[in-house]
Amino acid sequence: DADVTQTPRNRITKTGKRIMLECSQTKGHDRMYWYRQDPGLGLRLIYYSFDVKDINKGEISDGYSVSRQAQAKFSLSLESAIPNQTALYFCATSDRGRRGETQYFGPGTRLLVL
Amino acid sequence: AQKITQTQPGMFVQEKEAVTLDCTYDTSDQSYGLFWYKQPSSGEMIFLIYQGSYDEQNATEGRYSLNFQKARKSANLVISASQLGDSAMYFCAMREGGTGGFKTIFGAGTRLFVKA
Repeated sequence: DADVTQTPRNRITKTGKRIMLECSQTKGHDRMYWYRQDPGLGLRLIYYSFDVKDINKGEISDGYSVSRQAQAKFSLSLESAIPNQTALYFCATSDRGRRGETQYFGPGTRLLVL
Repeated sequence: AQKITQTQPGMFVQEKEAVTLDCTYDTSDQSYGLFWYKQPSSGEMIFLIYQGSYDEQNATEGRYSLNFQKARKSANLVISASQLGDSAMYFCAMREGGTGGFKTIFGAGTRLFVKA
């Protein structure tokens, strides 16, 4: 089984709808991240969490919110989706102090906002 | 200013030959980490190799090696004996210490095409 899972893998939604992307991990890592990927722009950090009580904004947090329900679960919400939030979304985890905090990624969620 | 620069949007290499993918970085931290990830057409992000700023030896992982030149702030990925399955996007990334908020920043990527 995959160490980092994301649901759903693909989602089509309409402008104005609320949508939640979920991430679960079995790696036992404390730190979790949400990124979005747009063509030609690499990955950009949306939010990150270093433990259950710690949530931090990344470089593009506007229009998004997150919830760290447990060490193993980190959800990303789009309260009112807009078309420019169409992207590939990745969840990642890292282990504090291990190997430079290498991040391990989930398979990604492809989101299309119409 | 860009913190991670990958100047090659696309690269071609003949199967079985070696290829170098360029990456330069910018940081004022003394302690930082450098990473390379592979993204095949299926979309997943696969960790390839890590180099710590204090590591004196260049990192190697199988056919991958990281040519770390600290004074030049470069961290080029070398893939030896290219295979068709190496065709993918490759991302260089850097994790800074305190001044960077312990976050990881990614470059825009290089698309590698391996020719048979």
